[in-house]
Amino acid sequence: AQTVTQSQPEMSVQEAETVTLSCTYDTSESDYYLFWYKQPPSRQMILVIRQEAYKQQNATENRFSVNFQKAAKSFSLKISDSQLGDAAMYFCAYRSGGGKLIFGQGTELSVKP
Amino acid sequence: NAGVTQTPKFQVLKTGQSMTLQCAQDMNHNSMYWYRQDPGMGLRLIYYSASEGTTDKGEVPNGYNVSRLNKREFSLRLESAAPSQTSVYFCASTPGLWETQYFGPGTRLLVL
Repeated sequence: AQTVTQSQPEMSVQEAETVTLSCTYDTSESDYYLFWYKQPPSRQMILVIRQEAYKQQNATENRFSVNFQKAAKSFSLKISDSQLGDAAMYFCAYRSGGGKLIFGQGTELSVKP
Repeated sequence: NAGVTQTPKFQVLKTGQSMTLQCAQDMNHNSMYWYRQDPGMGLRLIYYSASEGTTDKGEVPNGYNVSRLNKREFSLRLESAAPSQTSVYFCASTPGLWETQYFGPGTRLLVL
């Protein structure tokens, strides 16, 4: 069975600085997708970025980028120029062709002004 | 275009009561999902419907039933609520199994 692990329950970053959130996963499949979701206090789940396993190029969305290491089964999220609005719970998630999302435990990010 | 909507937003039940959580999407998506989120944990899949007319169990299906009423609506029913079902419930939908899932705002359920 696939598993997703986020080893950092909490992280903190100074406004305008860069922070990296870690995620590792375990799977025997070759085709899958990886996601980072943001959950602010409103509880709404917001897609931040996604990565297709067959693509070697790391995904980027504005200030958000990933470091996808397929052999190491690692999928970290880098947030550049952190803003107060980035403060939230961040979840790493794995999905195979069956469509089911498997989530990590989450990392709570706080941003200090 | 409202996306994924869920009703109610918040509900308090007594142990043994039943209720149905409603979910609807207006994006013409084929697949729909129900998750629960407990403190300190990520979301866990309860049931899903890959397409209209089909439903399958997820990771934590015990104590729940679902109905895919039509392409738009996917309901989750608790027949006899237990305190262990106190959680935040999320519905999600996606055009296809390989596509991004879009989430509703969640329903907070408290079972006393």
